[in-house]
Amino acid sequence: SAVISQKPSRDICQRGTSLTIQCQVDSQVTMMFWYRQQPGQSLTLIATANQGSEATYESGFVIDKFPISRPNLTFSTLTVSNMSPEDSSIYLCSVGKGNYGYTFGSGTRLTVV
Amino acid sequence: DAKTTQPPSMDCAEGRAANLPCNHSTISGNEYVYWYRQIHSQGPQYIIHGLKNNETNEMASLIITEDRKSSTLILPHATLRDTAVYYCIVRGLTGANSKLTFGKGITLSVRP
Repeated sequence: SAVISQKPSRDICQRGTSLTIQCQVDSQVTMMFWYRQQPGQSLTLIATANQGSEATYESGFVIDKFPISRPNLTFSTLTVSNMSPEDSSIYLCSVGKGNYGYTFGSGTRLTVV
Repeated sequence: DAKTTQPPSMDCAEGRAANLPCNHSTISGNEYVYWYRQIHSQGPQYIIHGLKNNETNEMASLIITEDRKSSTLILPHATLRDTAVYYCIVRGLTGANSKLTFGKGITLSVRP
């Protein structure tokens, strides 16, 4: 399975600022996803990061708030823009290859103060 | 929305088998059953998946009923390190159904 490096592992940010989270994979992957896990909750899919085209966002998530880049098949970034305390969550990158289980990064624990 | 239903929690004794149930009565013919677990403060970890036959790997066994409307994940000899939230997920291979949609999962507590 793929090995994912996600950075930063945690951060404390001021409200109104933005944070960019990086996801680096050790091999080329077709599918890359970004999830959010709010405190005490399950994972919610934010968007699918498409290589060479705009990301596909799930209901309730918009590009202005969560811009995503995917310049190649091994790298993606998620930006959390104009942050508020409600954005405090764990953000996870996930990649998939074919029919097998998706691999998840260890996550970025974000606290907005 | 998640297409599965799981009890919120269960526990078992260390060394005993843990049997985690999952209902997926609306599963389609081309959708697989996947199991993931999330140990506290870590990303979810893939455990096993199956279509209609029972499956076994080094981590667990997956038993799917003949009508495919439910399944059971079996951890044959639970250890304290198996304490985690376990997610049962129904997933297709193409299009919108290929995404992993997480429900609330079941919290397994393994007691000494």
